[in-house]
Amino acid sequence: KAGVTQTPRYLIKTRGQQVTLSCSPISGHRSVSWYQQTPGQGLQFLFEYFSETQRNKGNFPGRFSGRQFSNSRSEMNVSTLELGDSALYLCASSYFPGGTDTQYFGPGTRLTVL
Amino acid sequence: DQQVKQNSPSLSVQEGRISILNCDYTNSMFDYFLWYKKYPAEGPTFLISISSIKDKNEDGRFTVFLNKSAKHLSLHIVPSQPGDSAVYFCAASARGSGGSNYKLTFGKGTLLTVNP
Repeated sequence: KAGVTQTPRYLIKTRGQQVTLSCSPISGHRSVSWYQQTPGQGLQFLFEYFSETQRNKGNFPGRFSGRQFSNSRSEMNVSTLELGDSALYLCASSYFPGGTDTQYFGPGTRLTVL
Repeated sequence: DQQVKQNSPSLSVQEGRISILNCDYTNSMFDYFLWYKKYPAEGPTFLISISSIKDKNEDGRFTVFLNKSAKHLSLHIVPSQPGDSAVYFCAASARGSGGSNYKLTFGKGTLLTVNP
């Protein structure tokens, strides 16, 4: 069974631009969670989607948004990029909502904001 | 407010010895705990989990211990191998509740280095 895939793997953007990241979960998984990883901060939860509905949201500004499609694929969008948005963005999938089931992670998208 | 804490940013052990990684939590609603391993440029890989109804779970060289009264869990790796060198993240969730606890909360990670 194929694992979680994320595209693109690397992105370089400038301040003020917007970016869209994509995540394809493991086949059959209906939950997709997004995390931001920065040095020294661990993995910080962004939001989770289950069956196309946002179930939970972390403490990030409204510039960070996401959605999930009927095939469970998910996208996250960051508008008006800031230098501090440079990070590794990880998505994880599971059968059931993230807090109740083991999550499996993709390789991440490394975003650099110049 | 950091609900899951890994107080040791790094740990270095000799090959063949035991590695013990520690994790503390503050939220008494947490009832499900996991350990993930992460190599550079890769996503975290699930290692082992434990439910709060148990105090120990074992999988090969990896054992997780849970002390609910102390709100503490630890991951033991025996024997340690150079390939175990990675960042280890502890995570927790409150499966029995909903709302804001209905997600995985991660610690900041511990970098384990196993020296040959």
